[in-house]
Amino acid sequence: QVQLQQSGPGLVKPSQTLSLTCAISGDSVSSSRATWTWIRQSPSRGLEWLGRTYYRSRWYSEYASSVKSRIVIKPDTSKNHFSLQLNSVTPEDTAVYYCARGIITTYRFDPWGQGTLVTVSS
Amino acid sequence: SYVLTQPPSVSVAPGHTARITCGGDSIGSKSVHWYHQKPGQAPVLVVYDDHDRPSGIPDRLSGSNSGNTATLTITRVEAGDEADYFCQVWDNGSEHGVFGGGTKLTVL
Repeated sequence: QVQLQQSGPGLVKPSQTLSLTCAISGDSVSSSRATWTWIRQSPSRGLEWLGRTYYRSRWYSEYASSVKSRIVIKPDTSKNHFSLQLNSVTPEDTAVYYCARGIITTYRFDPWGQGTLVTVSS
Repeated sequence: SYVLTQPPSVSVAPGHTARITCGGDSIGSKSVHWYHQKPGQAPVLVVYDDHDRPSGIPDRLSGSNSGNTATLTITRVEAGDEADYFCQVWDNGSEHGVFGGGTKLTVL
């Protein structure tokens, strides 16, 4: 049974960097059948796909156009986890952030992490 | 970018059938996934690839997809089915995941 466990701070100051980690158990971050994804949810934006990282002979990372200039998602094979960094945050980045496994080829998301409420405030 | 449209709310009496729609341009050509989300919890996959169910999901939940509308059907609705339901597709054009706005299912 695959489980995802998120960690990271719940409060970030404006203009600083949001950093979250998602630890994987029951699967590998290097799996050829999965992509490792970050999604956020807020009342104003609903569920918003942010981006993903995955391994297919080499590592790839792909991002939503809305955050592309500010986001980095990367794997850590030694710890079997992946991380999210979102730079230059504003209050509009306040949301519940989820990590999730995307499954080829139609990219359903299963399972999800428990979610982390991140508030951007001074 | 690809847009999925869901009704904000659906209400149904216990024991009756609920139908939640998800509209999108030629959505019938895509694979649609459905999630439920209860307050304070993460979304949970309940139907994938239009009509398949993960293990542990009762067969009271079923999905269909044709033309411009996908539908999640819940028969013999129970109080425990009350939740927000979201549809999702993968948009190959943008290489992005796309979610509908969600439908709140209320059991009367």
